[in-house]
Amino acid sequence: KQEVTQIPAALSVPEGENLVLNCSFTDSAIYNLQWFRQDPGKGLTSLLLIQSSQREQTSGRLNASLDKSSGRSTLYIAASQPGDSATYLCAVRGNYGQNFVFGPGTRLSVLP
Amino acid sequence: EAGVAQSPRYKIIEKRQSVAFWCNPISGHATLYWYQQILGQGPKLLIQFQNNGVVDDSQLPKDRFSAERLKGVDSTLKIQPAKLEDSAVYLCASSLEWGRSNTEAFFGQGTRLTVV
Repeated sequence: KQEVTQIPAALSVPEGENLVLNCSFTDSAIYNLQWFRQDPGKGLTSLLLIQSSQREQTSGRLNASLDKSSGRSTLYIAASQPGDSATYLCAVRGNYGQNFVFGPGTRLSVLP
Repeated sequence: EAGVAQSPRYKIIEKRQSVAFWCNPISGHATLYWYQQILGQGPKLLIQFQNNGVVDDSQLPKDRFSAERLKGVDSTLKIQPAKLEDSAVYLCASSLEWGRSNTEAFFGQGTRLTVV
């Protein structure tokens, strides 16, 4: 059974710092991995999708990497801003036909 | 492009009452998911539809939860009777295709259910 963990559970940084959020999964036979952002009381916003054949994806100040063999993904946020404050969730889809398994999330606070 | 629509946004009910949630996925999306998110946790899948057929409902508490997706478009999720532990946010998501690895899932705003 796939299990997804995220470290740290919470993170507070001053504005402008570069930071890394970690996601680990137990079964390396994944189909893809998706990073989401969730603002308080809101739904999930898709940030990046990495297919199993890819090693990284970039969008603006965000860069996500995938290392299937070690069961890890990292989300790198450059030059953090207060508007980046939210909970970040990673979700793994197992092989063909399976649904997403989510991690518990990392709650990020970027202080002005 | 319109996103995934859910209603209502909030619902407060007493235990043992029934409640229903509605979801309208993005037009043309064949796959629809219902997730339950308890405060402080990641979402957990309740049921996955491909068109109007059920793909995975292994984690759906079938003694009290039911879901349907008529005509392969809109979906409703029902709880009857509700328990205190059902208090959570219920998220609906959709994706274009089921079997392609580059297919993103898009989520609605969710319905926050409080059972008192």
